[in-house]
Amino acid sequence: NAGVMQNPRHLVRRRGQEARLRCSPVKGHSHVYWYRQLPEEGLKFMVYLQKENIIDESGMPKERFSAEFPKEGPSILRIQQVVRGDSAAYFCASSAPGLAGGGNEQFFGPGTRLTVL
Amino acid sequence: AQSVAQPEDQVNVAEGNPLTVKCTYSVSGNPYLFWYVQYPNRGLQFLLKYITGDNLVKGSYGFEAEFNKSQTSFHLKKPSALVSDSALYFCAVKDYGQNFVFGPGTRLSVLP
Repeated sequence: NAGVMQNPRHLVRRRGQEARLRCSPVKGHSHVYWYRQLPEEGLKFMVYLQKENIIDESGMPKERFSAEFPKEGPSILRIQQVVRGDSAAYFCASSAPGLAGGGNEQFFGPGTRLTVL
Repeated sequence: AQSVAQPEDQVNVAEGNPLTVKCTYSVSGNPYLFWYVQYPNRGLQFLLKYITGDNLVKGSYGFEAEFNKSQTSFHLKKPSALVSDSALYFCAVKDYGQNFVFGPGTRLSVLP
């Protein structure tokens, strides 16, 4: 059973370019979460998606950032017109649907380390 | 609103000694509680969780945690620390039907 896959593992972009981060959840998981982590800091929640729906995007910056989780294919976190402050590790996690409000744990991917020059 | 506190940024312990990493939480209902570990340049790994039932939960790598409802705590413990346990530890809480909330993390250093 493959775990959560993220690619690329490392991404370098120049200011103003676009960054696209991909996340393939554990097979059968329909819930996907994106987090950002700065060096030596905790996780900052960005967005929670289920297939074709954004459930909670309260942690997502209002501009330049978007996320999707289509019916087919991986979840995508897209950052337009990147700035140096976007440099961070971006982690994706997935969980099984389970019972409503259930306590299924998240499984994390290895992360994508974005560096903006 | 849900919240999680990890009052210690750093915990140092000698190898072979017991370790405790503290976590307190706040939720409106009955909590689901989790511990994760993060090694350098890696994603988070699930250690254990409390959903319901026995207050003492056993998890991976010899770790355990005790749910204390009256103190709203879920401290992570291990009877005998290993140098390889040195890592960043995150506590998380999830209220029924709500999203996960992670604590700020505690860096554990086990000294040989």
